[in-house]
Amino acid sequence: DAGITQSPRHKVTETGTPVTLRCHQTENHRYMYWYRQDPGHGLRLIHYSYGVKDTDKGEVSDGYSVSRSKTEDFLLTLESATSSQTSVYFCAIKEPGLAGPNEQYFGPGTRLTVT
Amino acid sequence: TQLLEQSPQFLSIQEGENLTVYCNSSSVFSSLQWYRQEPGEGPVLLVTVVTGGEVKKLKRLTFQFGDARKDSSLHITAAQPGDTGLYLCAGARKSLTNSGGSNYKLTFGKGTLLTVNP
Repeated sequence: DAGITQSPRHKVTETGTPVTLRCHQTENHRYMYWYRQDPGHGLRLIHYSYGVKDTDKGEVSDGYSVSRSKTEDFLLTLESATSSQTSVYFCAIKEPGLAGPNEQYFGPGTRLTVT
Repeated sequence: TQLLEQSPQFLSIQEGENLTVYCNSSSVFSSLQWYRQEPGEGPVLLVTVVTGGEVKKLKRLTFQFGDARKDSSLHITAAQPGDTGLYLCAGARKSLTNSGGSNYKLTFGKGTLLTVNP
């Protein structure tokens, strides 16, 4: 258990409304990630953070912004939600593993539906 | 462009059978991870392989990393209904951050949905 929680776990919202998803971790990990998972596409990286106020884009960042004002929280914001952003969103943290520095551990996910 | 091709996409077998899932790429990865995901939950890390040719065993699961670090396989012996789930492979590659530091990004395959029937 990597101590990751996501909120909300489920959300239904209307097109054009802003939405913020929260990822919270309790173990002081430096790296945090946001992914979306869609049928036929697998998991795709949206944004990631490598420290407080340090963020970078992933492969599907258009329409999303992130913020990290403190180590434990990484927020994903959809400024104006669209139906194409209906998805399951996963947060992940990275911690050094014995096998290498690349092991990521995932939260339980947020299912977002944009109507 | 899908950097990691995972096959088969779906697999339905009877309890006790053996199976192999493949993960192939034309790119070299620093390491490769296998995850298992159940409905409504996040992926759970099973194993990380780092060295070309490496073989790791986890009970009835055997993971192998290709010699060139471009491909991997997951073999399950005597599958059980509890093995049912979505199996994902993910390759790690080094990238630069905005500040010039380094980070490893994961590229995921699309997954293999395994169903083991009793």
